[in-house]
Amino acid sequence: EDQVTQSPEALRLQEGESSSLNCSYTVSGLRGLFWYRQDPGKGPEFLFTLYSAGEEKEKERLKATLTKKESFLHITAPKPEDSATYLCAVQIAGGTSYGKLTFGQGTILTVHP
Amino acid sequence: GAVVSQHPSWVICKSGTSVKIECRSLDFQATTMFWYRQFPKQSLMLMATSNEGSKATYEQGVEKDKFLINHASLTLSTLTVTSAHPEDSSFYICSASPLRYRDRLFYEQYFGPGTRLTVT
Repeated sequence: EDQVTQSPEALRLQEGESSSLNCSYTVSGLRGLFWYRQDPGKGPEFLFTLYSAGEEKEKERLKATLTKKESFLHITAPKPEDSATYLCAVQIAGGTSYGKLTFGQGTILTVHP
Repeated sequence: GAVVSQHPSWVICKSGTSVKIECRSLDFQATTMFWYRQFPKQSLMLMATSNEGSKATYEQGVEKDKFLINHASLTLSTLTVTSAHPEDSSFYICSASPLRYRDRLFYEQYFGPGTRLTVT
């Protein structure tokens, strides 16, 4: 069975304190791994898509990396406005999945000033 | 680019009535749209996948007669919750996928802002 597990469930950081969020996955065949940010009461905001082990992408204070078993979202010198729930999702290759995403439970990030 | 809108953003309805939620891709054509629901403090759960011009594919456990999905055009999909009950109260989110071909086929998904449904 395809599974996506995110850790930690919640993370509290001081402003400027860098850290990483983890997304481990067990799937039959990975087409892509997606990272989203979700603020309370809003839809997920697209951050990154990673397709191959070894791939890295960056956007401002965020950097996403991918291995064959997991992905990391590194947050460098976070600010209070980075506080949100970060969701990881995988897209399975082949079959009749039509590109559907399977989400992890998310990591709630709180950055204190 | 890649903006998805939903309407309404929130709705309150009485038990037994039906509610329609619209999902539009504003600056791209979406061959595939997805409908999710999200309960408080939980992640997104896929309800159904809809492809333009064909019947929606529902996930296991989702009642297709209760959650009617129509994907009438490449920019519009609708979700109708029929005979709504309080347990249908949730946050409904759609996503749209522009089909792109590069070295291999892949789909990206862009999400709408969500619709908060409260059934009294």
